[in-house]
Amino acid sequence: SQQGEEDPQALSIQEGENATMNCSYKTSINNLQWYRQNSGRGLVHLILIRSNEREKHSGRLRVTLDTSKKSSSLLITASRAADTASYFCATDRETSGSRLTFGEGTQLTVNP
Amino acid sequence: DVKVTQSSRYLVKRTGEKVFLECVQDMDHENMFWYRQDPGLGLRLIYFSYDVKMKEKGDIPEGYSVSREKKERFSLILESASTNQTSMYLCASSFYRGSSSYNSPLHFGNGTRLTVT
Repeated sequence: SQQGEEDPQALSIQEGENATMNCSYKTSINNLQWYRQNSGRGLVHLILIRSNEREKHSGRLRVTLDTSKKSSSLLITASRAADTASYFCATDRETSGSRLTFGEGTQLTVNP
Repeated sequence: DVKVTQSSRYLVKRTGEKVFLECVQDMDHENMFWYRQDPGLGLRLIYFSYDVKMKEKGDIPEGYSVSREKKERFSLILESASTNQTSMYLCASSFYRGSSSYNSPLHFGNGTRLTVT
């Protein structure tokens, strides 16, 4: 099964609401990254959180990491229609030879 | 800004053809990667390279090969295309930072949607 698994698979909210996406993983990691993909495009890096960090902010994004639960969450505050995209977590596993492994993504739809 | 350019956005090939997917990055990145993306399966790593003329297999290398003759260019080769290789192919690059090479984010191209008929 996937190293990183996002939850939910799909999320639909209204503009202005907050969106929370979760990622779980199975093995110890060096770091965890979140990416965004607009339809038909490549992925764009959003934020990286290292295994010794618990929370990180970037603009309207807030990422948390709980290594004891092997999980991370991405919070987008005050969402906009332009935030509509797929969001992926990716992990750099300690024993992977530094391979980056992606989950299947959460499809976020923000309705105007 | 880092630019990763994939030579084709859409490609249609016939079964059995040899297919070349080209990727060029302009930021002198050491690391380059090829992923394929399929619905329900996410992104899966095919091959990656840490240096010129160096390559390592990813999770699904069967049916593929790669070439890295120059630092900025990483080519994915389908030796004999099959219908199960119909997919979105994504190239990415990143800086190498010593033992923490994956602490630098990946920069992706816009992808090549390959259809094999």
